[in-house]
Amino acid sequence: NAGVMQNPRHLVRRRGQEARLRCSPMKGHSHVYWYRQLPEEGLKFMVYLQKENIIDESGMPKERFSAEFPKEGPSILRIQQVVRGDSAAYFCASSLPGGAEAFFGQGTRLTVV
Amino acid sequence: QQQVKQSPQSLIVQKGGISIINCAYENTAFDYFPWYQQFPGKGPALLIAIRPDVSEKKEGRFTISFNKSAKQFSLHIMDSQPGDSATYFCAARSASDKLIFGTGTRLQVFP
Repeated sequence: NAGVMQNPRHLVRRRGQEARLRCSPMKGHSHVYWYRQLPEEGLKFMVYLQKENIIDESGMPKERFSAEFPKEGPSILRIQQVVRGDSAAYFCASSLPGGAEAFFGQGTRLTVV
Repeated sequence: QQQVKQSPQSLIVQKGGISIINCAYENTAFDYFPWYQQFPGKGPALLIAIRPDVSEKKEGRFTISFNKSAKQFSLHIMDSQPGDSATYFCAARSASDKLIFGTGTRLQVFP
């Protein structure tokens, strides 16, 4: 049973470009969470999704950021018109419906140049 | 109310010693308290977790102590080893199922 898969592991984007981060949850997991981690800092909640639904997006910046978790395929975190301040590690976690344990992927390290 | 406060920010322990990391929360609706271990360049890995109806849980060298009335919980690492050197995060699960993380403790265990 593969763990949570995130790709790409590293992503470099120029200012103004779009970044797309993908997360495939563990098999059977229908809940996905996205977190952002700045260097030497903690994990900041961004968004919580279930299949085809956004449950809680209270941590998402109001502009440029969006997330989806379609019926088929991975969850996508999309950042439009990236700025240098978006440079961070973005982690995805997944859990079973009603499950307490959340398992994290290895993260995508976004660098905006 | 949604915060989880973690201390210390960094911790240096000699090999064989006990590492203790503390967390406190305000929201009494939190119902699950995991600890995660993160090595540089890696994702957080679930280490051990506890529910509020239990005061202590032990798994190998790792123990969570939970004080419901004080709204505090702590991680104890017995016989700390250099391989335990990592960043440790406490977390709490809210009623809406999202995990709220503490700010992390960087542990260094010296031989």
